[in-house]
Amino acid sequence: EPEVTQTPSHQVTQMGQEVILRCVPISNHLYFYWYRQILGQKVEFLVSFYNNEISEKSEIFDDQFSVERPDGSNFTLKIRSTKLEDSAMYFCAINDRENTDTQYFGPGTRLTVL
Amino acid sequence: AQRVTQPEKLLSVFKGAPVELKCNYSYSGSPELFWYVQYSRQRLQLLLRHISRESIKGFTADLNKGETSFHLKKPFAQEEDSAMYYCAPPNDYKLSFGAGTTVTVRA
Repeated sequence: EPEVTQTPSHQVTQMGQEVILRCVPISNHLYFYWYRQILGQKVEFLVSFYNNEISEKSEIFDDQFSVERPDGSNFTLKIRSTKLEDSAMYFCAINDRENTDTQYFGPGTRLTVL
Repeated sequence: AQRVTQPEKLLSVFKGAPVELKCNYSYSGSPELFWYVQYSRQRLQLLLRHISRESIKGFTADLNKGETSFHLKKPFAQEEDSAMYYCAPPNDYKLSFGAGTTVTVRA
């Protein structure tokens, strides 16, 4: 099973601050995803990233959000100006190289916006 | 797009009892469906995909096209099965998770 790590495991920030969440897949994959899970709610799709560009994004993924692969390995999610409602678990996922429908998730980053 | 409904938010069973988590889908044609599990403080993990038709950790799930269901079943629940379970169809390479069912297995 492909391994995915995420840093930090927990991020506490003040409202209005910028945060960058990082995802590091151990091997090369084509598709990357970010999902979020607000406490007590279901996991929601944010954005998919393929071939170094966004392939799809949800309505949640507004102008405050951006993604990139700055060095070809790390995959980052940036929230430009955090709001209280951005507090959630953020999960990175990658697709299975042989089957693009199977996704493998990182352990998540818990973002707390104060 | 495929959509799923998980009608039970919470499910509590005794150890050794059978457990069934319901998932109904709304999609015409041949759906693809997954079950993901999230143990306490751990990452989401793929439990089953309907194409493989295999049993993982004693769980099975059968696609019933007549009832448009993909219920997850285990004949004898164990305490370590306590977790959150999500039914999820892929939609254009992204996953659309159901609301999830929290399973608590009591000793």
